[in-house]
Amino acid sequence: GQNIDQPTEMTATEGAIVQINCTYQTSGFNGLFWYQQHAGEAPTFLSYNVLDGLEEKGRFSSFLSRSKGYSYLLLKELQMKDSASYLCAVRDGDYKLSFGAGTTVTVRA
Amino acid sequence: GAVVSQHPSRVICKSGTSVKIECRSLDFQATTMFWYRQFPKQSLMLMATSNEGSKATYEQGVEKDKFLINHASLTLSTLTVTSAHPEDSSFYICSARALAPDSEKLFFGSGTQLSVL
Repeated sequence: GQNIDQPTEMTATEGAIVQINCTYQTSGFNGLFWYQQHAGEAPTFLSYNVLDGLEEKGRFSSFLSRSKGYSYLLLKELQMKDSASYLCAVRDGDYKLSFGAGTTVTVRA
Repeated sequence: GAVVSQHPSRVICKSGTSVKIECRSLDFQATTMFWYRQFPKQSLMLMATSNEGSKATYEQGVEKDKFLINHASLTLSTLTVTSAHPEDSSFYICSARALAPDSEKLFFGSGTQLSVL
């Protein structure tokens, strides 16, 4: 099975940077995903890491260290629309995704 | 990106009735679809994996006779909640694994909010 931990809530100011950490313990690993989810909506794909290192995509970056079972999602130049829940998910060899409980990010003016 | 259509988006039903939720991949063939359930302020919990033309694989603790999954074609999977009860009220989301070059991603439907009275 998978055990995925991420903080419950984070608050930041518009224009700032926020880093959401995710640690995991897995019985099989085949990639780590980050999704954004607004209340009452389905998750939308943000990033995917399967090798160690940093993946940058615009204002969002994601980092993975497989040896440490650790990932983070970095959100830069925060905008009000970035207020959402951010889900860390680990994929096993059968393409099943196990999700963390999500981190609710609140962006304040 | 690939599009997954899920409907209905919201359904309210009486206790004891059955509800069918459809999940369609609109512009790609999905050999594998996944069904998740999400309770308020909790994460998505995988219920079952649906493979086209074969029986679904259910996660531990999920009643296969209560949550019937059919994946009859490469673009359609359905989840039927049979004899629904108030504790089945939840947000149900399907996702589909696309083929190359997007095979590393899962695309999600828009979700179905089920309320059982």
